[in-house]
Amino acid sequence: EVQLVESGGGLVQPGRSLRLSCVASGFTFDDYAMHWVRQAPGKGLEWVSGISWNSASIGYADSVKGRFTISRDNAKNSLYLQMNSLRAEDTALYYCANGRIWGPPDGSWGQGTQVTVSS
Amino acid sequence: QSVLTQPPSASGTPGQRVTISCSGGSSNIGTNYVYWYQQLPGTAPRLLIYRNDQRPSGVPDRFSGSKSGTSASLAISGLRSEDEADYYCAAWDDSLSGPVFGGGTKLTVL
Repeated sequence: EVQLVESGGGLVQPGRSLRLSCVASGFTFDDYAMHWVRQAPGKGLEWVSGISWNSASIGYADSVKGRFTISRDNAKNSLYLQMNSLRAEDTALYYCANGRIWGPPDGSWGQGTQVTVSS
Repeated sequence: QSVLTQPPSASGTPGQRVTISCSGGSSNIGTNYVYWYQQLPGTAPRLLIYRNDQRPSGVPDRFSGSKSGTSASLAISGLRSEDEADYYCAAWDDSLSGPVFGGGTKLTVL
């Protein structure tokens, strides 16, 4: 059974940093691209960042470019999102999701980790 | 403002067929595959349709997708109460170099 388990969310002040993690199991992690997708309270889905299986391709939404960094450790079946200079508008539920190709996620999604940016 | 445009709401009665539209442009739907996701209340999204019209295993054949030009549609036939959910379309955008989502459509089963 495919499992994606996110962690690292929490309450943080504006301007501070947070690192999210996603641990994968039930599939061959280094065969898949991975993504972070967020959902603000009562809002729709927004793609945040994605990374190809070998980290050769990396992309960011304009809203987070220069502040967030995505990475993965295939030996640990883990995906990360380093979030710096956090803003109130980054408040959301952050999902990790996988994909067989470099494109929209076409596989499984985790349950999400909540990030709240507030003073 | 989402790159892909969906109606905010749709509704139908049990057994009916409903369609949800998704409109984009030449840099996304016009040249790339369309994906659809279902998000039941309080849960994570799940893939419903990939590559315009393909269903992952486990998705009932009541759900179907189609694409024409820069628009796509999700059709749900034999509507059931458990289909009440938010539905999102997505496609890769060549200009943004990333996937873009529609704003979502809330489906109500009356």
